[in-house]
Amino acid sequence: GAVVSQHPSWVICKSGTSVKIECRSLDFQATTMFWYRQFPKQSLMLMATSNEGSKATYEQGVEKDKFLINHASLTLSTLTVTSAHPEDSSFYICSARTNRAGGSLLEQYFGPGTRLTVT
Amino acid sequence: GENVEQHPSTLSVQEGDSAVIKCTYSDSASNYFPWYKQELGKRPQLIIDIRSNVGEKKDQRIAVTLNKTAKHFSLHITETQPEDSAVYFCAASYNNDMRFGAGTRLTVKP
Repeated sequence: GAVVSQHPSWVICKSGTSVKIECRSLDFQATTMFWYRQFPKQSLMLMATSNEGSKATYEQGVEKDKFLINHASLTLSTLTVTSAHPEDSSFYICSARTNRAGGSLLEQYFGPGTRLTVT
Repeated sequence: GENVEQHPSTLSVQEGDSAVIKCTYSDSASNYFPWYKQELGKRPQLIIDIRSNVGEKKDQRIAVTLNKTAKHFSLHITETQPEDSAVYFCAASYNNDMRFGAGTRLTVKP
């Protein structure tokens, strides 16, 4: 249980184009999903918190007009990187909370990540 | 907001030895402290966690201790094996706010 998937696993795009990344909770409903960015050999930096049916909450310094987040259902959240530039190249990871039986609302389970390369 | 510091940044041990990674946090409201293991290019995997009402938790070769007064918590891995080699992240969380430490690259030499 508590499986989170992401698609695509890697993507290469040209500068100026937009890229959409999907995050799905496969065997549970996730009212809250999180989006992180991880640069090589660095820690996970929270970008935004996504709540189903409402606007995402962005961390300071993260441009909400550039990183569009949609959480349309209890099992799907999407991150769209608009007008991508080479400096947006990174590993993007989502996570979701599960309220599985015996678990805790505090636990987060991560997707496999999406490696974005902007040329 | 919460600030988590993690030490050391790199740790090399001989197979069979113990490894200890330490973290401190700043927000006394934090009540959940997970540890994640991340192998290169893969997702972080939750390996153990502890809540603020518990001082210690053990799962086979892995244990975590929490000192709420001092606001620090530690990961202990005993009888290390080469497959324990990875980057380990601590985190501190309160409600929707989870912050990660900078990570510790553990290398277990056979």
